[in-house]
Amino acid sequence: AQKVTQAQTEISVVEKEDVTLDCVYETRDTTYYLFWYKQPPSGELVFLIRRNSFDEQNEISGRYSWNFQKSTSSFNFTITASQVVDSAVYFCALSGDNNAGNMLTFGGGTRLMVKP
Amino acid sequence: EADIYQTPRYLVIGTGKKITLECSQTMGHDKMYWYQQDPGMELHLIHYSYGVNSTEKGDLSSESTVSRIRTEHFPLTLESARPSHTSQYLCASSEGRFTDTQYFGPGTRLTVL
Repeated sequence: AQKVTQAQTEISVVEKEDVTLDCVYETRDTTYYLFWYKQPPSGELVFLIRRNSFDEQNEISGRYSWNFQKSTSSFNFTITASQVVDSAVYFCALSGDNNAGNMLTFGGGTRLMVKP
Repeated sequence: EADIYQTPRYLVIGTGKKITLECSQTMGHDKMYWYQQDPGMELHLIHYSYGVNSTEKGDLSSESTVSRIRTEHFPLTLESARPSHTSQYLCASSEGRFTDTQYFGPGTRLTVL
């Protein structure tokens, strides 16, 4: 069975602060993919990143960065110099190679509020 | 990135009405999915499809039904809406391999009075 845990239900920061959203996963699959999605107040889920289990290199995209550590089964997401537009719910998700249906296992989400 | 559309975006309807939530994608993706999202944020898979004429139930039991007659179209129907069906419904699609990203539509926010 797969499981994704986002322990932080809600985070509130002031604009320009850095913030890290935690994601811990459990899987028995040898090959798996990890995802992050953003859900702004408008409601749609916006795909942010996909990483496979063989690539532990950290990734940076503008103010966003992701830290994948297999040793701790974590895939954390950092926003540098946060902005009000970053306010949203962020979901971490997992898909594994024994998962014939390409089912995503989602975490419970972290609501990020960035105050001006 | 997939182009995936859902209509209506918002729907307020009375108890007992039959409703159909539309979902269409233009990328030719084989797999399509319906998720229900409760106010507590958690996403629950309620239906999915591997392709035309394929429909499967997801992790969360739902009174809704789906059909997949065309690759691009995956409508969800509630025969008799109830207040307990009030939720956000999100449609997604992917190419089909477990490695593939699911792309989501804008969602339908349903309120049953």
